[in-house]
Amino acid sequence: NAGVTQTPKFRILKIGQSMTLQCTQDMNHNYMYWYRQDPGMGLKLIYYSVGAGITDKGEVPNGYNVSRSTTEDFPLRLELAAPSQTSVYFCASRKDRGHNSPLHFGNGTRLTVT
Amino acid sequence: AQRVTQPEKLLSVFKGAPVELKCNYSYSGSPELFWYVQYSRQRLQLLLRHISRESIKGFTADLNKGETSFHLKKPFAQEEDSAMYYCALSSGNTPLVFGKGTRLSVIA
Repeated sequence: NAGVTQTPKFRILKIGQSMTLQCTQDMNHNYMYWYRQDPGMGLKLIYYSVGAGITDKGEVPNGYNVSRSTTEDFPLRLELAAPSQTSVYFCASRKDRGHNSPLHFGNGTRLTVT
Repeated sequence: AQRVTQPEKLLSVFKGAPVELKCNYSYSGSPELFWYVQYSRQRLQLLLRHISRESIKGFTADLNKGETSFHLKKPFAQEEDSAMYYCALSSGNTPLVFGKGTRLSVIA
C-alpha cells in the first residue's frame, strides 16, 4: 500500500490564484481529513469527511472547499489564494473512529502565497 | 469544547537525561488520547495511544483523569528522539484535536 499520497509537494501561488491540493489513499479508509500546520500553532483542521459524498467543516474552513466523490480521493481547493494561506497542508485518513484506528498522514504540501 | 494544551514549545535535554513532554486536555467525557511524532523531513506518525498501555521507542504515557493529563515520558533521551511531538484527543464523533506541539531537542 502506498498509504496517503499528497501532490504536489511544493507550490508557490500568486495572490488571487486558485489551485487544488490532491490527496488519495489506497487503504479503503472511510474518514479523511485536511489539516494545516503553522509554526507554533500546531495542526488545525480545515475540513473532514466521514465517507464518500459527506464533508464537514473543521476549525478553519474559510477560503477552502473540498469534495469527496470517491472513497479514495479528498481534494482541497483554494479558490482565491491569500498570503494567510501560506502553510504546510497535511491530508490524513483513518479506517473509522476509535483507538484501533490511528490517523495515517501524507507527506504534506508546502504552499507559499506571495 | 475539547482542548489539548502542550505548554512547552521547545524542550531541550541532554542525551541520557529523562524526558517529560506535558499534555493536558479538557473534555468532560471519556477521551481517547494519542501521541504523534514528526521526525525531520518525515510525515507525522502515531507514537502511542493510551488504551494500549504500550512502550514505544522507550516512551510511555499514562492517562491521569484526575489531573486531565497524558504526559509523555522517557527515562533516558537519545539523539534520535529529537522531533516534533503532538498530543491529540479524540472523542465520539469528533475528529482528532491536536495540541500546538512540542519540539524536543536532545543535545549530545
